Amino acid sequence: KQEVTQIPAALSVPEGENLVLNCSFTDSAIYNLQWFRQDPGKGLTSLLLIQSSQREQTSGRLNASLDKSSGRSTLYIAASQPGDSATYLCAVKKDDKIIFGKGTRLHILP
Amino acid sequence: EPEVTQTPSHQVTQMGQEVILRCVPISNHLYFYWYRQILGQKVEFLVSFYNNEISEKSEIFDDQFSVERPDGSNFTLKIRSTKLEDSAMYFCASSTGQGRGRETQYFGPGTRLLVL
Repeated sequence: KQEVTQIPAALSVPEGENLVLNCSFTDSAIYNLQWFRQDPGKGLTSLLLIQSSQREQTSGRLNASLDKSSGRSTLYIAASQPGDSATYLCAVKKDDKIIFGKGTRLHILP
Repeated sequence: EPEVTQTPSHQVTQMGQEVILRCVPISNHLYFYWYRQILGQKVEFLVSFYNNEISEKSEIFDDQFSVERPDGSNFTLKIRSTKLEDSAMYFCASSTGQGRGRETQYFGPGTRLLVL
């Protein structure tokens, strides 16, 4: 059964710092991996999607990597801003469903 | 940009009552999904729906749940007799179905269901 784990569960960093969020998954037979952002009480915003054949994707200050064989992904956020404060969810897709991690709650200190 | 919409945004109901959560997927999408997130927990897959039938469902999606596409635009989740533990945020999602596995699922803003 696919399990997705994210560490750390929570992270506070000063504004301007670069940071890395980690995700691991137990079954490497995935179609893709996706990073989402969730603001408190809100829906899910897709940030980056990496296909199983790809190693990384970039969007602005965000860079996500995928090492399928080791079951790991990282989300790198450069030059963090207070507006980046949110929960970041890692999710893997197999067949018709997406399996989510519990998320990393990120707080950027002004 | 097209988006998935959900109504209502919040619903409060009494235990044992039936609720229907509504979603309008993106218009050219063919695959539809429901997920739920109990407060403080992971987002969990409930069901996927394609070509007017369920294509996959989780163990959570028991006989109390049903899904329907009653017309060309709406996609609904019905909970027949709500329990306290059904209190959660329910997310609808849709995808094109093209390039199976490669496409993004687009999520709606969610319906927060509270069962008293």
